[in-house]
Amino acid sequence: GNSVTQMEGPVTLSEEAFLTINCTYTATGYPSLFWYVQYPGEGLQLLLKATKADDKGSNKGFEATYRKETTSFHLEKGSVQVSDSAVYFCALSGTTTGGYQKVTFGTGTKLQVIP
Amino acid sequence: NAGVTQTPKFQVLKTGQSMTLQCAQDMNHEYMSWYRQDPGMGLRLIHYSVGAGITDQGEVPNGYNVSRSTTEDFPLRLLSAAPSQTSVYFCASSSTWRQQTDTQYFGPGTRLTVL
Repeated sequence: GNSVTQMEGPVTLSEEAFLTINCTYTATGYPSLFWYVQYPGEGLQLLLKATKADDKGSNKGFEATYRKETTSFHLEKGSVQVSDSAVYFCALSGTTTGGYQKVTFGTGTKLQVIP
Repeated sequence: NAGVTQTPKFQVLKTGQSMTLQCAQDMNHEYMSWYRQDPGMGLRLIHYSVGAGITDQGEVPNGYNVSRSTTEDFPLRLLSAAPSQTSVYFCASSSTWRQQTDTQYFGPGTRLTVL
């Protein structure tokens, strides 16, 4: 079945540092890939997505490129802020044999940015 | 436009008690789902629904029931609560079950403790 592996956290960075959170996946077919963010005490919300190979998703200074050859979707940001402190989830969405959308989430990576 | 709402926000139960977690969405979404979030395990799918009157099991359905009598509402019932059901529960929706590119919209979560 489909699976998503993301780097263990927590990740602690100083403000304005460069961020990379690694995500690799295993899937049949051509899934869509997502990054969701969960701020403290809240539900998950979409950060960015890419729906086909070589697509780059971007939002709020974050970027991730759908790399089919390496089955990866690493999240990057050039300069993090304290307000980026949150838990980040990599996810993939595929289709079951019954034709339904099925979303598989990684375990989440907690990011803490210190001033 | 409230999006996805969940009640209650917090709940403490004793072993053996039953309760219903409420979920509603006002976006006319076809697809609704329930996840539980546990430390180190990411989000796991409990049950999902592709429309009123149609539900199916996810990865971890045991001990939970669902029904979907309207497009808007998707309650999750715990039949006889057990300590292993202590978790944070999220309801999510997306516009259609047919498109793997669709974004999931999450509610704020219900934190459940079973003593």
